[in-house]
Amino acid sequence: DAKTTQPPSMDCAEGRAANLPCNHSTISGNEYVYWYRQIHSQGPQYIIHGLKNNETNEMASLIITEDRKSSTLILPHATLRDTAVYYCIVRVKYGGATNKLIFGTGTLLAVQP
Amino acid sequence: DTGVSQDPRHKITKRGQNVTFRCDPISEHNRLYWYRQTLGQGPEFLTYFQNEAQLEKSRLLSDRFSAERPKGSFSTLEIQRTEQGDSAMYLCASSSNSLGDNDEQYFGPGTRLTVT
Repeated sequence: DAKTTQPPSMDCAEGRAANLPCNHSTISGNEYVYWYRQIHSQGPQYIIHGLKNNETNEMASLIITEDRKSSTLILPHATLRDTAVYYCIVRVKYGGATNKLIFGTGTLLAVQP
Repeated sequence: DTGVSQDPRHKITKRGQNVTFRCDPISEHNRLYWYRQTLGQGPEFLTYFQNEAQLEKSRLLSDRFSAERPKGSFSTLEIQRTEQGDSAMYLCASSSNSLGDNDEQYFGPGTRLTVT
């Protein structure tokens, strides 16, 4: 079972920041928070990951609370092409049997013009 | 930089027929994964290879499913005696656990299977 809880859907106006929350209250000390997204009829796409510090890359920012029980993915200026299902996943970065990804049902982000 | 490729992109088959899908990972990636995704659900893990060794199989992978990765390069997923419940998107992903790599998985576009 997925170890994360996400809202099923969210709307965001084009050009505004999209803030996608994720709860992972049972996260272990060696587990990272990963975010992937899946645009309709495509394979999932890696966005960002982090352990406890906030992270930023060219796609998004990841804010992880101090207790690591929740996180927020921020798309600073959402565009229509950001409409997708966003998955929050916790996993061990190295080691473990397979590092397989366990997906939940994610959040469908709809960016409105 | 070529990404993960999968072939075919779409497959329609009649119940009871055998089908085979191919995945070509990113060339320097030693890890390869197969997932299955049904409508409205997130992808579900099926099996994993490190180089040519198949190290884990999900209980979702029934006896009718077999996967191979000869020589640690491309992989094939075969479904024998297909059933309507096998209709899904079959996704392949690859990653590298070499020192300095983040081991994030890169996914292919998937093969959509429809069993009639």
